[in-house]
Amino acid sequence: AQRVTQPEKLLSVFKGAPVELKCNYSYSGSPELFWYVQYSRQRLQLLLRHISRESIKGFTADLNKGETSFHLKKPFAQEEDSAMYYCALRGDEFRGNTPLVFGKGTRLSVIA
Amino acid sequence: DAGVIQSPRHEVTEMGQEVTLRCKPISGHNSLFWYRQTMMRGLELLIYFNNNVPIDDSGMPEDRFSAKMPNASFSTLKIQPSEPRDSAVYFCASRTLGAYTDTQYFGPGTRLTVL
Repeated sequence: AQRVTQPEKLLSVFKGAPVELKCNYSYSGSPELFWYVQYSRQRLQLLLRHISRESIKGFTADLNKGETSFHLKKPFAQEEDSAMYYCALRGDEFRGNTPLVFGKGTRLSVIA
Repeated sequence: DAGVIQSPRHEVTEMGQEVTLRCKPISGHNSLFWYRQTMMRGLELLIYFNNNVPIDDSGMPEDRFSAKMPNASFSTLKIQPSEPRDSAVYFCASRTLGAYTDTQYFGPGTRLTVL
């Protein structure tokens, strides 16, 4: 079974402080992991994916297969980072044909 | 491309009424997904279609929920009769079937309130 766990419903940090949004997954195969972000009154959009190994808006995430984690990090939080963040997984069976499984989300609040 | 289009954006109805949510996927996409977002349960997959065919509807909460995709450019999610616990934001998403590197693109959502 595929499962994504985001242990924190709400995370509050001060502007300029480091941010880490936790994501753990459960999957026996080789997953593809994603982070989606939903800003206030906007649609859900892709932030980054592990296969791209890129930094988007200062955020990075590394897939740790040993710890089955895909934590999202940013060294210095900005007020505009305040949003709802969802971690998502796609399994490797029929990868082109299967939907994403999402965690319950973490609301990040950056305090000025 | 306007992206995934959903209508209505907001729906307020009374318990027992029928509700129909609509989705137009991105042109050329042939996989379509319906999700429900609530504070308690986060983002749950309700059903998805590949080439207009329902593949997995195990996420549909009860028989009151039904979804159709009569053609490649239109899908509906119907709730009949609606109940207050159905209040949530319903998202539609689409992608290209079989495209390994593709991801899901989401619509703006329909915020449903059942009184």
